[in-house]
Amino acid sequence: GDSVTQMEGPVTLSEEAFLTINCTYTATGYPSLFWYVQYPGEGLQLLLKATKADDKGSNKGFEATYRKETTSFHLEKGSVQVSDSAVYFCALSDEKLTFGTGTRLTIIP
Amino acid sequence: DAGITQSPRYKITETGRQVTLMCHQTWSHSYMFWYRQDLGHGLRLIYYSAAADITDKGEVPDGYVVSRSKTENFPLTLESATRSQTSVYFCASSGAVAGDQETQYFGPGTRLLVL
Repeated sequence: GDSVTQMEGPVTLSEEAFLTINCTYTATGYPSLFWYVQYPGEGLQLLLKATKADDKGSNKGFEATYRKETTSFHLEKGSVQVSDSAVYFCALSDEKLTFGTGTRLTIIP
Repeated sequence: DAGITQSPRYKITETGRQVTLMCHQTWSHSYMFWYRQDLGHGLRLIYYSAAADITDKGEVPDGYVVSRSKTENFPLTLESATRSQTSVYFCASSGAVAGDQETQYFGPGTRLLVL
């Protein structure tokens, strides 16, 4: 069945550092790919999405490119802020969402 | 306000008791979902519904019951709670916006502790 594997956390970075959170997937079809973010005490919010190969999703300075050849959807941000501290989930959609286990990110000033 | 709400936000119960978690959305989304979130497992789908009176099992349905008599409501019932059902439960909905049917919108969650 479909599955998502993402970088184990926790990840701790200094403010203004470059961020990469790796995500790879296994799917039989051609799923859409998502990154969701969960701030402390809240539900998940859509961060960005891509619906087909080579699409780039972007939002709030975060980017991820749908790479069919490497079955990957890595999340990147050039300069992180303290307010980016959260748990990040990679997910794929093939009628239903399948989530990775989440990566906790902490940004220190 | 429009959106997706869950109640209660926090619940403590005892083993063997019946518990119902409520979910309500105001967007007229056709799809609704229930997930549980546990450390090390991410989010796992319990049940989902494609429309009123249509429900289907997800990855971890055992011990849970759902119903959907109205489009906007999707209650989740634990018929006889067990300690292993201690978790954070999230409701989500999707499906009303053309070209964006797959994006799910999540409620704030219900923290359930089973003693």
